[in-house]
Amino acid sequence: EDQVTQSPEALRLQEGESSSLNCSYTVSGLRGLFWYRQDPGKGPEFLFTLYSAGEEKEKERLKATLTKKESFLHITAPKPEDSATYLCAVQPSGSARQLTFGSGTQLTVLP
Amino acid sequence: NAGVTQTPKFQVLKTGQSMTLQCAQDMNHEYMSWYRQDPGMGLRLIHYSVGAGITDQGEVPNGYNVSRSTTEDFPLRLLSAAPSQTSVYFCASSRTTGAYEQYFGPGTRLTVT
Repeated sequence: EDQVTQSPEALRLQEGESSSLNCSYTVSGLRGLFWYRQDPGKGPEFLFTLYSAGEEKEKERLKATLTKKESFLHITAPKPEDSATYLCAVQPSGSARQLTFGSGTQLTVLP
Repeated sequence: NAGVTQTPKFQVLKTGQSMTLQCAQDMNHEYMSWYRQDPGMGLRLIHYSVGAGITDQGEVPNGYNVSRSTTEDFPLRLLSAAPSQTSVYFCASSRTTGAYEQYFGPGTRLTVT
């Protein structure tokens, strides 16, 4: 059974204080690993897709990396507007059912 | 493009009532899905569709029905609402069943009393 575990559950940072969010996964063959951002009362918003170990992708202050067992979302010099819940999801290969989600990390960036 | 739209945004039902949550997308996406989101449990897949006329069950399908008569629409029906179905429901779509990003609607917050 596919499993996705995110840590920490919640993270509070001061503005400018860099940190990383973790996503550990167990899947029988990985087709893709996805990161989403979710603001309160809204649907998840796509950030990145990673396909193979060693891959990295960047967008503004965010950088996502992937190994064979986990992914990290690095946040460099965060701003208050980066406050949101960050969701990780995996898609197993050979499946049409698509995504299995983790329960998310709630990030708060204080000014 | 409006993307993925969902109606209603909020709904309160009494136990035993039935209703349909509406979902539509205007991106000509083949793949559509329904998730429920509960505190501490993440998003869980209810049903999905890989194209018009084709649907299948996800992780938590009991108590829900779906159909897909057109590419654009994918309604979710609650047959006899139960308090355990109190949740936030999200519809999503993607280009195909490959490793393509899913686009989510704004959600429907459902309370069953």
